[in-house]
Amino acid sequence: KAGVTQTPRYLIKTRGQQVTLSCSPISGHRSVSWYQQTPGQGLQFLFEYFSETQRNKGNFPGRFSGRQFSNSRSEMNVSTLELGDSALYLCASSLVQGQNYGYTFGSGTRLTVV
Amino acid sequence: GNSVTQMEGPVTLSEEAFLTINCTYTATGYPSLFWYVQYPGEGLQLLLKATKADDKGSNKGFEATYRKETTSFHLEKGSVQVSDSAVYFCALSDLGTDSWGKLQFGAGTQVVVTP
Repeated sequence: KAGVTQTPRYLIKTRGQQVTLSCSPISGHRSVSWYQQTPGQGLQFLFEYFSETQRNKGNFPGRFSGRQFSNSRSEMNVSTLELGDSALYLCASSLVQGQNYGYTFGSGTRLTVV
Repeated sequence: GNSVTQMEGPVTLSEEAFLTINCTYTATGYPSLFWYVQYPGEGLQLLLKATKADDKGSNKGFEATYRKETTSFHLEKGSVQVSDSAVYFCALSDLGTDSWGKLQFGAGTQVVVTP
């Protein structure tokens, strides 16, 4: 059974640019969540999508956005990149709501903003 | 709001030593509790979980018991190996619309096991 796939694994972008990250969940999983991991702030929740609808959102500026497609694949976009956006971005998928089942994470996309 | 507090690292141990990582939580409801492990350069792997009070999660020699009275979910392993060197995260997931898809993580505890 394929796991959660995130692409690309590494990205280097220049301040002011925008970036799109992709996440393919485990087959049959309909919930996809995104997290930002940094040494200073740890793991912070960005947002969650279920059946193409954003159901929950963390405390991030509007420059961070996402969407989910009908096949449950999800993308997140960061516009007007800042140096502080450098981080490991992780996505996680779950069958419905991971409260009982847990969430399966991908290997992440490491974004470096220069 | 919900929060998770876990002991700071790094925790350095010799192979075959006993490992305990303390984790306490604050939650308004009845959360599910998780331990995740992260190896260098990788994402998070679910190590074990417990969904209600007094449940014991276990996997790969690791155990943790959901203690509602002390709001704790301490991780233990009786005999660690070098391959257990990683960062361990305690996390909770609560019910409610503002918790959909959201895990609240602790800061993580780095464990270093030496031969």
